[in-house]
Amino acid sequence: ELKVEQNPLFLSMQEGKNYTIYCNYSTTSDRLYWYRQDPGKSLESLFVLLSNGAVKQEGRLMASLDTKARLSTLHITAAVHDLSATYFCAVEGRGSQGNLIFGKGTKLSVKP
Amino acid sequence: ETGVTQTPRHLVMGMTNKKSLKCEQHLGHNAMYWYKQSAKKPLELMFVYNFKEQTENNSVPSRFSPECPNSSHLFLHLHTLQPEDSALYLCASSHPKRDRGLYEQFFGPGTRLTVL
Repeated sequence: ELKVEQNPLFLSMQEGKNYTIYCNYSTTSDRLYWYRQDPGKSLESLFVLLSNGAVKQEGRLMASLDTKARLSTLHITAAVHDLSATYFCAVEGRGSQGNLIFGKGTKLSVKP
Repeated sequence: ETGVTQTPRHLVMGMTNKKSLKCEQHLGHNAMYWYKQSAKKPLELMFVYNFKEQTENNSVPSRFSPECPNSSHLFLHLHTLQPEDSALYLCASSHPKRDRGLYEQFFGPGTRLTVL
């Protein structure tokens, strides 16, 4: 059974600081996704990582994937308040037809 | 309308009521999904439909009954629910990219369900 673990589950950080969210998964997977969810709103796709060593960046967020370690990271650079949200990683199992297994999410709060 | 829409956005129902949630996608996708998001658990996949055929049912109680009349519409029929079924119900859709078999999912705004 594929399991996805994120840590930390809660993260409070100051504006301007850097931090990394980790996503570990238990079995081999081809693809990993990062989503953002604002309070009371739906999930927004941030990144899709397709292969080992994949790195994608959008603004202050950078995601990477190490399929050998079964690990993805979401790095936040010089955080700003607008990044406050819950971030989910999701893994698509090998042979899956699009069924994603989500982590519990990391609730990020960026304070002035 | 663009993207994935869901109605109603909020629903309060008693345990003896019957109600339905509706999802519509305007993206030309061929797969649609129902998820449950509650405070105590990770996002849980409930049902998957590919080309209107149900391909996944993750041990969901029979008081939840999905219906997919076409690739653009998905319903979740609810009856005799329990208070623990109160949650945010999210609909999503996807379409595999031919060159990569990619199943990036696009989510609707969700229906906040409260069962009294």
